[in-house]
Amino acid sequence: AQSVTQLGSHVSVSEGALVLLRCNYSSSVPPYLFWYVQYPNQGLQLLLKYTTGATLVKGINGFEAEFKKSETSFHLTKPSAHMSDAAEYFCAVSKADRDDKIIFGKGTRLHILP
Amino acid sequence: GAGVSQSPSNKVTEKGKDVELRCDPISGHTALYWYRQRLGQGLEFLIYFQGNSAPDKSGLPSDRFSAERTGESVSTLTIQRTQQEDSAVYLCASSPRQGARGYTFGSGTRLTVV
Repeated sequence: AQSVTQLGSHVSVSEGALVLLRCNYSSSVPPYLFWYVQYPNQGLQLLLKYTTGATLVKGINGFEAEFKKSETSFHLTKPSAHMSDAAEYFCAVSKADRDDKIIFGKGTRLHILP
Repeated sequence: GAGVSQSPSNKVTEKGKDVELRCDPISGHTALYWYRQRLGQGLEFLIYFQGNSAPDKSGLPSDRFSAERTGESVSTLTIQRTQQEDSAVYLCASSPRQGARGYTFGSGTRLTVV
């Protein structure tokens, strides 16, 4: 079975500081990995995804994530936080097979301090 | 359509009543998923349809929950004899059968059982 663990249900960073949201996954087969963002009172939006190829994946709004197979991790980073980054972030995994279901982590709420 | 459409956007129902939630996937997307998001929680997988294959119902929490899909189009999630713990946002997503993995979520139906 696949699973995702997001370390820290709440993370606070100062505006302009590095954002690091941690995600570790468990999968018995090669995974596809995703980060989704949910802004207050809005739906889920795909930030970035890893399927194959380059392990450093760049997404929207300056976010990026690196797939590290040896560490079973897919941490999300952004060099400089903006107030507009305050949201809930979900890491997710699926099997590297066509259209299998996605399993989501419990989410990390990112707070940006002025 | 251009995106995944869900209706109604909000539903308030009395405990014990049945409700139906509707999802219109993106045209051409053969895979369709239902998730539940309780307040302050992550996304809980409910059910997954892929073309004409038997649906993956492994996430349905009880036999009060069921879902149908007509071909590769509209899906309806039915909750019978609603309970207060059913209160949540119900999210639908769709994805293409092959190619780059892209899951697009609808805006959800917020269900409140009173």
